[in-house]
Amino acid sequence: SQQGEEDPQALSIQEGENATMNCSYKTSINNLQWYRQNSGRGLVHLILIRSNEREKHSGRLRVTLDTSKKSSSLLITASRAADTASYFCAPSSSYKLIFGSGTRLLVRP
Amino acid sequence: GAGVSQSPSNKVTEKGKDVELRCDPISGHTALYWYRQRLGQGLEFLIYFQGNSAPDKSGLPSDRFSAERTGESVSTLTIQRTQQEDSAVYLCASSTVPLQGAVEQYFGPGTRLTVT
Repeated sequence: SQQGEEDPQALSIQEGENATMNCSYKTSINNLQWYRQNSGRGLVHLILIRSNEREKHSGRLRVTLDTSKKSSSLLITASRAADTASYFCAPSSSYKLIFGSGTRLLVRP
Repeated sequence: GAGVSQSPSNKVTEKGKDVELRCDPISGHTALYWYRQRLGQGLEFLIYFQGNSAPDKSGLPSDRFSAERTGESVSTLTIQRTQQEDSAVYLCASSTVPLQGAVEQYFGPGTRLTVT
């Protein structure tokens, strides 16, 4: 299955701290995407990293991809209360996105 | 521009009734996807439309589920004889043509379906 498994399931940090969440998968992929979901709805695309890339940045987000270990990490630096959400990874070799249960991030003000 | 819109936002129906969910994709997006999200879980792929190609229906959980799309515009997901296990949020997404799966999908706000 292409489903990604996020770890940890839940993460609670203080505003200003960094948050790191991980994703593992089992099959070969062409790319891996990270999405954020607030309040049970509103899935928003954060970043896409291709299989030939090792690291990508977007604002306060840093994503790494290690295809040899079949894993990815998402780092959010200088977290804000507004970053409170569930984060999902979607490893993919086709148009289908198959999400795991996600990491629930709580940023305490 | 306008994002993906879905209607209704919430739907409560009695077991056994049929429901129809609607999705308006972003204008110009040729690809359209339906997903289902049960409470506290990730997304399950349901169906994929791309232009005039035959849709990929491999994720539809039973023959009670069907979906249609008119050209590159509106799509409807129909669930016949609803069951309580159909209760979930149904999410629609659209995108430009996915090349090797590498495309950002834009999601609508979803329809929360509750079957009583």
